[in-house]
Amino acid sequence: GAGVSQSPRYKVAKRGQDVALRCDPISGHVSLFWYQQALGQGPEFLTYFQNEAQLDKSGLPSDRFFAERPEGSVSTLKIQRTQQEDSAVYLCASSPRLAGGTGELFFGEGSRLTVL
Amino acid sequence: DAKTTQPNSMESNEEEPVHLPCNHSTISGTDYIHWYRQLPSQGPEYVIHGLTSNVNNRMASLAIAEDRKSSTLILHRATLRDAAVYYCILRGNYGGATNKLIFGTGTLLAVQP
Repeated sequence: GAGVSQSPRYKVAKRGQDVALRCDPISGHVSLFWYQQALGQGPEFLTYFQNEAQLDKSGLPSDRFFAERPEGSVSTLKIQRTQQEDSAVYLCASSPRLAGGTGELFFGEGSRLTVL
Repeated sequence: DAKTTQPNSMESNEEEPVHLPCNHSTISGTDYIHWYRQLPSQGPEYVIHGLTSNVNNRMASLAIAEDRKSSTLILHRATLRDAAVYYCILRGNYGGATNKLIFGTGTLLAVQP
């Protein structure tokens, strides 16, 4: 379909492994967001891209988390040396608008990461 | 960012109206009120948003208090598919890099047949 696509849907990693989560936003959407959602909690903001520029990474919990969007479309969230507390659903959202309070965000179904 | 307060959970019967309240007493003049919902095992889904006037769309209605310190999401006839967590979110219109949605814990709506 034409929605936001995330892969893998499920990922199991051993503690200490590196993981990469991919987000394919809706074509032409300039804004892209990553969120982390722990079990039973609301999504928490991680980082925001406007085209290829990462304008806000204030929510990244540590320097083990890194996100990129080199060509302003597909984005990858990388987590190095995973820890058990990284277990969560990672959600990607895109929006056609640059900024402002009225734009609708379109979310993917998320990537569920389990760290053993 | 201004905070919102919602009840943790609510119950409704199928085909009856549902009124989901949200308090946002520290809302600023440029904050929009957004509602998203999240069905089980899915990402959040946009429902509706407004600034000052009441708003209607095919999914729901949004009633905004005159002082803007509270709002109510109205589902006119609840169905079993409306069972979800509903999030009320304030979003500034800064025109800059700060463009994110800040989610709380939302209201878990249960719909009984």
